[in-house]
Amino acid sequence: EPEVTQTPSHQVTQMGQEVILRCVPISNHLYFYWYRQILGQKVEFLVSFYNNEISEKSEIFDDQFSVERPDGSNFTLKIRSTKLEDSAMYFCASSGQGLDNEQFFGPGTRLTVL
Amino acid sequence: AQSVTQLGSHVSVSEGALVLLRCNYSSSVPPYLFWYVQYPNQGLQLLLKYTTGATLVKGINGFEAEFKKSETSFHLTKPSAHMSDAAEYFCAVSGLRWGNDMRFGAGTRLTVKP
Repeated sequence: EPEVTQTPSHQVTQMGQEVILRCVPISNHLYFYWYRQILGQKVEFLVSFYNNEISEKSEIFDDQFSVERPDGSNFTLKIRSTKLEDSAMYFCASSGQGLDNEQFFGPGTRLTVL
Repeated sequence: AQSVTQLGSHVSVSEGALVLLRCNYSSSVPPYLFWYVQYPNQGLQLLLKYTTGATLVKGINGFEAEFKKSETSFHLTKPSAHMSDAAEYFCAVSGLRWGNDMRFGAGTRLTVKP
């Protein structure tokens, strides 16, 4: 069964460093998303991406964040200068065109900023 | 805009007892509604979804949910709890448009006592 994959599973970085979180969506999907979950809190929408551009973004997705689909398979989230409060689980999701709009989630990348 | 409210951050039941996790939604368009389960240190797994059609939807692991438009509710139930049901449960809503972001509730932690 096709699935969304994410790498790495755990990333540790120093405050101020740049990180890139990687996702491989399901191959025939057209919409891509990033969500984050701070420990013990709810899952929060960050951004959605379609046709090589951002469709929607939340207030969390400020200038330090960017997304890219550098090739036909990967979808990345870059955090330019990490802060302590960026420590969270980051989930990638993808969905196809269809009335059920189901998003398939990856297993997540745990980001720890020291 | 869409949002969900989950009543009760923590629900505790005995093994074999009824599970009832409450979710109320707010949506300016007919909603798509979802329940996800998250086991410790794992990603999000879809339990069930409501898009159109039958208002009582059945999901995996014996769970079901009923969409009640008049009550703007989508409560999750299971007739008999198992120890393995202990997890965090998230209700989520998205709009009809493809690629619409998903808004999650704060989550309900289900504990099952032997």
